[in-house]
Amino acid sequence: QSALTQPASVSGSPGQSITISCTGSNSDIGSFNYVSWYQQHPGKAPKLIISDVTSRPSGVSDRFSGSKSGNTASLTISGLQADDEADYYCGSYSSTTTLELFGGGTKLTVL
Amino acid sequence: QVQLQESGPGLVKPSETLSLTCTVSGGSVRSGNYFWSWIRQPPGKGLEWIGFIFHSGTTNYNPSLKSRVTLSIDTSKNQFSLKLTSATAADTAVYYCARLSVGCDSTSCHRRYDYWGQGTLVTVSS
Repeated sequence: QSALTQPASVSGSPGQSITISCTGSNSDIGSFNYVSWYQQHPGKAPKLIISDVTSRPSGVSDRFSGSKSGNTASLTISGLQADDEADYYCGSYSSTTTLELFGGGTKLTVL
Repeated sequence: QVQLQESGPGLVKPSETLSLTCTVSGGSVRSGNYFWSWIRQPPGKGLEWIGFIFHSGTTNYNPSLKSRVTLSIDTSKNQFSLKLTSATAADTAVYYCARLSVGCDSTSCHRRYDYWGQGTLVTVSS
């Protein structure tokens, strides 16, 4: 069981928007703005798409956005495209002895 | 462009030591704002943080693995390494090395795994 909780799967049609949630605790998401999101296509390494809750690295589409409320962070993908079909992982800094936490991953299916 | 590349045996026998090296190019492991990290992913499962090392040799490990893990860094070769003792089938995973970038400017702070290696599958089996 992962320390951060994500839905196992979400789906949407091309052009639609979807949101993936990531729930942690007061020791991580609730207390720090160090939430990241990673996109992973099959057989590939994770790719950073959002850091520090809302920041997009250079080169990442503005269709990807992040937010946070309390102990839950969210990733929104707007204008879904076929290539967005992938696994998405959230990650967060934690003030516990396990400094880095990840979610179990969410499989996004573009219908 | 920073690149990381894992290397090491793809098959390890149970009870033996799993050893991997990550070679960094396009940047220096001596840079002050980076922690050089290992993250693993069992087949079909999520990501698990193993630990990271600073260029000074300072380390931090996942408590669940701490008794079996040792990270080291060789600044002359621009490499850092992972050793995991007493390997079992539960250690079978794709192992990634990654760069953790941390820092603050006048307005905000950041913390992110911004560069990853391609990953290497290590299978623990007799």
